[in-house]
Amino acid sequence: SQQGEEDPQALSIQEGENATMNCSYKTSINNLQWYRQNSGRGLVHLILIRSNEREKHSGRLRVTLDTSKKSSSLLITASRAADTASYFCASYNQGGKLIFGQGTELSVKP
Amino acid sequence: EAQVTQNPRYLITVTGKKLTVTCSQNMNHEYMSWYRQDPGLGLRQIYYSMNVEVTDKGDVPEGYKVSRKEKRNFPLILESPSPNQTSLYFCASYTQGYTEAFFGQGTRLTVV
Repeated sequence: SQQGEEDPQALSIQEGENATMNCSYKTSINNLQWYRQNSGRGLVHLILIRSNEREKHSGRLRVTLDTSKKSSSLLITASRAADTASYFCASYNQGGKLIFGQGTELSVKP
Repeated sequence: EAQVTQNPRYLITVTGKKLTVTCSQNMNHEYMSWYRQDPGLGLRQIYYSMNVEVTDKGDVPEGYKVSRKEKRNFPLILESPSPNQTSLYFCASYTQGYTEAFFGQGTRLTVV
């Protein structure tokens, strides 16, 4: 069972525009994480936001967390062609299992 | 350098021929996990391990076996592979504090 569901499934934008991806999860969490995957490659950790945080920034990334709505969003500002990848949210269940959403496929056109 | 190493990266095999995909991590992480990734289905967890000799099923364990005899290694065993196990497989490891997970580069398995 997937812990998170992501929206949209695919997103196509022009270079320089902002990209926003949303994630909803089902159970209570200690933290929520976002990962990036270039085509067919291993996932790379981008950012982690703890359950007592509402917003976190890292370079051009901004993550928000709303625990009352069980949702999170990832904003990539001033996108570049190199940002083209799939993005996944993930969280741990109480047993320590790390469970992923379905992912958003982002395409940034030059 | 902190890393998770999977081998092989690519594998083509025939139905029924036992195979093992190895996974090794050098970070002394307690948790290790196997996922398969299929188009439109995201990452689905196969098995995970909380420590040496402690493993549990994920969402899609049928047809797979794992073992955790040493902390650093977590091999995935397909005793009798079938074509529906053709997929991209990832191994991951993380600490007990539930922080970021580190992933291997993936194993693309084709069963014919």
